[in-house]
Amino acid sequence: DTGVSQDPRHKITKRGQNVTFRCDPISEHNRLYWYRQTLGQGPEFLTYFQNEAQLEKSRLLSDRFSAERPKGSFSTLEIQRTEQGDSAMYLCASSLLGRANEQFFGPGTRLTVL
Amino acid sequence: SQQGEEDPQALSIQEGENATMNCSYKTSINNLQWYRQNSGRGLVHLILIRSNEREKHSGRLRVTLDTSKKSSSLLITASRAADTASYFCATELSQGAQKLVFGQGTRLTINP
Repeated sequence: DTGVSQDPRHKITKRGQNVTFRCDPISEHNRLYWYRQTLGQGPEFLTYFQNEAQLEKSRLLSDRFSAERPKGSFSTLEIQRTEQGDSAMYLCASSLLGRANEQFFGPGTRLTVL
Repeated sequence: SQQGEEDPQALSIQEGENATMNCSYKTSINNLQWYRQNSGRGLVHLILIRSNEREKHSGRLRVTLDTSKKSSSLLITASRAADTASYFCATELSQGAQKLVFGQGTRLTINP
């Protein structure tokens, strides 16, 4: 257990539905990251927050995806109008500014879009 | 796109043997990190090596970094069944971004 938690751990939804995932980072960590991982691949960066500011977004993050970190603590990732290609493991990680960006990952949320 | 490429993609050895995995990358980095992932689980940070370091040890792990060849290796000595997992290298690029760029991983199987 790294101290980063994610909820839910599994989500099955039908195409076209909206889903929201939550990540609770390690409490003193001011940086929070979202990654997506498909089967047999390494994680791919989606977006990154420093405190409540979203500082970078990948081109993978289409306009159907939105992420927030309203109080600089937990974060949510919402996918609207899900597509089958969104099926993946969504990983959250956190790190502490000034600590060489060693990232601590949560267990992930596995999304299946039917 | 993936920055790192791990080699081999899969490795199967007997318990007690040493396992070596390699990672190559394309652009200048601040540091390179190795992570382990058990099947269907999150990633566990193993070790970080900075761009000005050449070798680092942590327990049974030994990591080397050759920035002139843009490559790194992870050696696990005296392997155990519990080491069975996927291993990923991840680079923090020196140009701006705080994100990590992962390779595709090496799937390591330790046979008892």
